[in-house]
Amino acid sequence: RKEVEQDPGPFNVPEGATVAFNCTYSNSASQSFFWYRQDCRKEPKLLMSVYSSGNEDGRFTAQLNRASQYISLLIRDSKLSDSATYLCVVNSLNFNKFYFGSGTKLNVKP
Amino acid sequence: ETGVTQSPTHLIKTRGQQVTLRCSSQSGHNTVSWYQQALGQGPQFIFQYYREEENGRGNFPPRFSGLQFPNYSSELNVNALELDDSALYLCASSYGAEVSYEQYFGPGTRLTVT
Repeated sequence: RKEVEQDPGPFNVPEGATVAFNCTYSNSASQSFFWYRQDCRKEPKLLMSVYSSGNEDGRFTAQLNRASQYISLLIRDSKLSDSATYLCVVNSLNFNKFYFGSGTKLNVKP
Repeated sequence: ETGVTQSPTHLIKTRGQQVTLRCSSQSGHNTVSWYQQALGQGPQFIFQYYREEENGRGNFPPRFSGLQFPNYSSELNVNALELDDSALYLCASSYGAEVSYEQYFGPGTRLTVT
């Protein structure tokens, strides 16, 4: 079983839509969680950390569900510029190992 | 821009050769992690260096090795290159080695092995 799993998508949504992605992780002792976005043939860019209490940054909201071992990312009022691949990152039980999901592709259409 | 730089941008090598990739961390960051990203996949953690010592390693063979220098820049060395080593190699820097610290990526080195 992979450490981190994501639905590869693509999610095709119109501008202005609300879209949500989930990312499941296998290790219940995981401690830190992040969302990154990656544009085609570019490096991943940090979008937000995911805290136990959840966090919000403008149109983006991240949640952590430890009981079901998943993190989520909600994007409201989607923009064309949100089109990218969204990667979740989870640390492992063994200190200092970071696991990336394979990413979820989002296409926002006019 | 994150301030993390990598060189070279692109590289073509032949199977069996050796390669060295370089990374300069963002100012104020003392930790560098290296990742391999194959096409269509997420980055795979190779290892992390903190204060010039290896501080965590993923499931990569010993022919993947690294160094960190006193100025916190880092090198990734790959010996006996194989075709499957063709990928984008990313380094990420962070302040401190705690797993809660956010990592910032450089633009990557695209390695092609023929």
